[in-house]
Amino acid sequence: DTGVSQNPRHKITKRGQNVTFRCDPISEHNRLYWYRQTLGQGPEFLTYFQNEAQLEKSRLLSDRFSAERPKGSFSTLEIQRTEQGDSAMYLCASSSGTLGTNSPLHFGNGTRLTVT
Amino acid sequence: SQQGEEDPQALSIQEGENATMNCSYKTSINNLQWYRQNSGRGLVHLILIRSNEREKHSGRLRVTLDTSKKSSSLLITASRAADTASYFCATDNQGGSEKLVFGKGMKLTVNP
Repeated sequence: DTGVSQNPRHKITKRGQNVTFRCDPISEHNRLYWYRQTLGQGPEFLTYFQNEAQLEKSRLLSDRFSAERPKGSFSTLEIQRTEQGDSAMYLCASSSGTLGTNSPLHFGNGTRLTVT
Repeated sequence: SQQGEEDPQALSIQEGENATMNCSYKTSINNLQWYRQNSGRGLVHLILIRSNEREKHSGRLRVTLDTSKKSSSLLITASRAADTASYFCATDNQGGSEKLVFGKGMKLTVNP
């Protein structure tokens, strides 16, 4: 178990630029989640994949946000035309089962995005 | 929207003391989980309690769940400086969504 890996750890970008983050889940986990966390708040759900299928999307995920998991392994989260309000920690998590089967989430250390 | 709300929002204690944090939530749940987050890091799962359980132990952790009051508590006994972190409760909902809803968190400081 090498854990959930996220890259990059930090990203500073200018407003209007596009950014892409990568998440490598625990290898045997078929479920992958993206969350966003701002300072002093708990993580907020963005989207969920089961294998390569994106099964849930939050209303927080505006049309500037897109997530993919093309082969059911790693996932990418892209933000187009970044805004200062996008500055946050983007957390990826994976699990081996659904919440209904009481499977906990395993989080990566996140990508901290700063939009200037 | 955030369902769980931790109370207090910050707690400072001395090493060796016990720390208790409370969580309230709003909707019916399948389970409630507690996570810990060190500064600048991801969250680490601590313990999960199912809706049909009332108490659960794991090492120095004790979790209780009262579904009639929609509340949970996390007790950390014999605290250590390494327990300094933010603690979050998180709930699912019975609507079949895979969304885990986190509270705002509680900052625990354990002074050596």
